[in-house]
Amino acid sequence: NAGVTQTPKFRVLKTGQSMTLLCAQDMNHEYMYWYRQDPGMGLRLIHYSVGEGTTAKGEVPDGYNVSRLKKQNFLLGLESAAPSQTSVYFCASSSGYGYTFGSGTRLTVV
Amino acid sequence: QKEVEQDPGPLSVPEGAIVSLNCTYSNSAFQYFMWYRQYSRKGPELLMYTYSSGNKEDGRFTAQVDKSSKYISLFIRDSQPSDSATYLCAMSGWDFGNEKLTFGTGTRLTIIP
Repeated sequence: NAGVTQTPKFRVLKTGQSMTLLCAQDMNHEYMYWYRQDPGMGLRLIHYSVGEGTTAKGEVPDGYNVSRLKKQNFLLGLESAAPSQTSVYFCASSSGYGYTFGSGTRLTVV
Repeated sequence: QKEVEQDPGPLSVPEGAIVSLNCTYSNSAFQYFMWYRQYSRKGPELLMYTYSSGNKEDGRFTAQVDKSSKYISLFIRDSQPSDSATYLCAMSGWDFGNEKLTFGTGTRLTIIP
């Protein structure tokens, strides 16, 4: 049972490049989330989804887009990466009793 | 003022000591309270999940909630080096059927052998 799988685990981007982070869960959870974690800032919610085909903005959505075309997948896109987006990104899913997190994606924008 | 306040530490204690980790919150709508443990370069994992005021015990871990004071605690008894991690408190309110968690910034704990 894989739980929540994030790909890639590491990535280095140049300023202005685009990329997509993939999150896949095999627990049939309705709710999925994207967070970024920065030193001293804790976990901050970027976007979330309450079900297939739905997305909503979180606390820090600017510069990011998401899609949830299939229930098990939640994609996070960066259209034009900026150094301020250097962070560790975590995906999580939930059935309403606490979150299950992936292992994270370490993104560096140079 | 942040909705959830957590002392960032770092906190270092000798093996076998009792550890107390705490969070305060300001939002009365929070109903569910959780503690997550995060090892270095890993994702957070759910450690304890509580709903009502009072204590909940699971092995060496005890979660305590005082809704009247808006204060939650996690106690670790007989601490082990494997308990060295960052501990995040989290609280949940429900918004249009969606469980939304608000996290503390985490306390880094080191257990010294």
